[in-house]
Amino acid sequence: DAGVTQSPTHLIKTRGQQVTLRCSPKSGHDTVSWYQQALGQGPQFIFQYYEEEERQRGNFPDRFSGHQFPNYSSELNVNALLLGDSALYLCASSLVSSGSIYNEQFFGPGTRLTVL
Amino acid sequence: AQKITQTQPGMFVQEKEAVTLDCTYDTSDQSYGLFWYKQPSSGEMIFLIYQGSYDEQNATEGRYSLNFQKARKSANLVISASQLGDSAMYFCAMRETFYGNNRLAFGKGNQVVVIP
Repeated sequence: DAGVTQSPTHLIKTRGQQVTLRCSPKSGHDTVSWYQQALGQGPQFIFQYYEEEERQRGNFPDRFSGHQFPNYSSELNVNALLLGDSALYLCASSLVSSGSIYNEQFFGPGTRLTVL
Repeated sequence: AQKITQTQPGMFVQEKEAVTLDCTYDTSDQSYGLFWYKQPSSGEMIFLIYQGSYDEQNATEGRYSLNFQKARKSANLVISASQLGDSAMYFCAMRETFYGNNRLAFGKGNQVVVIP
């Protein structure tokens, strides 16, 4: 049973560029959440996708956008990169449609983005 | 406003000893879930233990137990019989529960180093 996978593992970009990060959820999961983790900080919620729509969004600018595909995989896009976007980007999947209060999120290994 | 507070500095613990990691939270909801995750240097967030706000008993998972004091809004993690592999960052997180909401708010984490 494959867990959450993310690609690429590492990425180096320069200011102003655009980046796309990819995530495949754990088998059977229907929801993908994205988190940004700056160095020395806890993860910060970016947004969540369910049924191919953005359902919730954290306090992130519109430069951060995403997409969910029919197979539940997801992309995170960041435009006009800033130095402050350097971070570990974590994807987490869950099964929201289960309706369970206990709704564990399974995290992927992350993509480490460095903006120069 | 910060919802999860983890303020302990980095901790050194002797192998086979127990260690307690503090976590306080802030919410006005009656229904919520509290999670602890372990993040080794590889970056992946590993789920450890869950406590629901309505659970009357403290959660336990192997060597991990959660000391839940609802009135004080604290959810401390206790790791018993520490092992060298327990060296990692530990994050407390909260999910304020309503149907479909699966976003987690994380604290800044506690660094634990287990020494032989």
